Amino acid sequence: ETGVTQTPRHLVMGMTNKKSLKCEQHLGHNAMYWYKQSAKKPLELMFVYSLEERVENNSVPSRFSPECPNSSHLFLHLHTLQPEDSALYLCASSQTTQLDEQFFGPGTRLTVL
Amino acid sequence: ILNVEQSPQSLHVQEGDSTNFTCSFPSSNFYALHWYRWETAKSPEALFVMTLNGDEKKKGRISATLNTKEGYSYLYIKGSQPEDSATYLCASYDITGTASKLTFGTGTRLQVTL
Repeated sequence: ETGVTQTPRHLVMGMTNKKSLKCEQHLGHNAMYWYKQSAKKPLELMFVYSLEERVENNSVPSRFSPECPNSSHLFLHLHTLQPEDSALYLCASSQTTQLDEQFFGPGTRLTVL
Repeated sequence: ILNVEQSPQSLHVQEGDSTNFTCSFPSSNFYALHWYRWETAKSPEALFVMTLNGDEKKKGRISATLNTKEGYSYLYIKGSQPEDSATYLCASYDITGTASKLTFGTGTRLQVTL
């Protein structure tokens, strides 16, 4: 148990669906992240939030829309995804965005049909 | 673009063997190197955060070294146990302008058998 939870753990959606991934951290951290893990590829940073403000958008398509309502919660809203978006989506948090180790959630396995 | 390379991609050792993996990264704009351990069906877990050239870190049977001038880090496991079976990820932390982020390698998958 890392102190970072993600729901749902598995999600299957059609290309026309709208769904959201949720992440919650119980560590009092100020920074939160979304990563994507595709098969045979390294973990790829998508978004970084620091004190609820987005500080990094790593050229992610607009069909992925993050939201950080407070420092403990992070959402990833999904809309009209493509089959190639099927992947494991990991959330992480750290004390700050500078240097600190990151604490990861268990991930959401997303399948887009 | 920052490329972080790890080798080997996978490794299969017997219980009791000692082993090591390599992580190479561009040395320009280097700020820190992270090592993570990722067991199947679990979350990646931080092992070490290293910043200084020549730094050595140790946690139980696992240790790591860092050479920032030549851009590589080694992770060592002494006397491997089946519970060490996992994917070991390294990630280089770089700062370019006002942006800072971790760039991960693809990992070394270690399997330890009895």
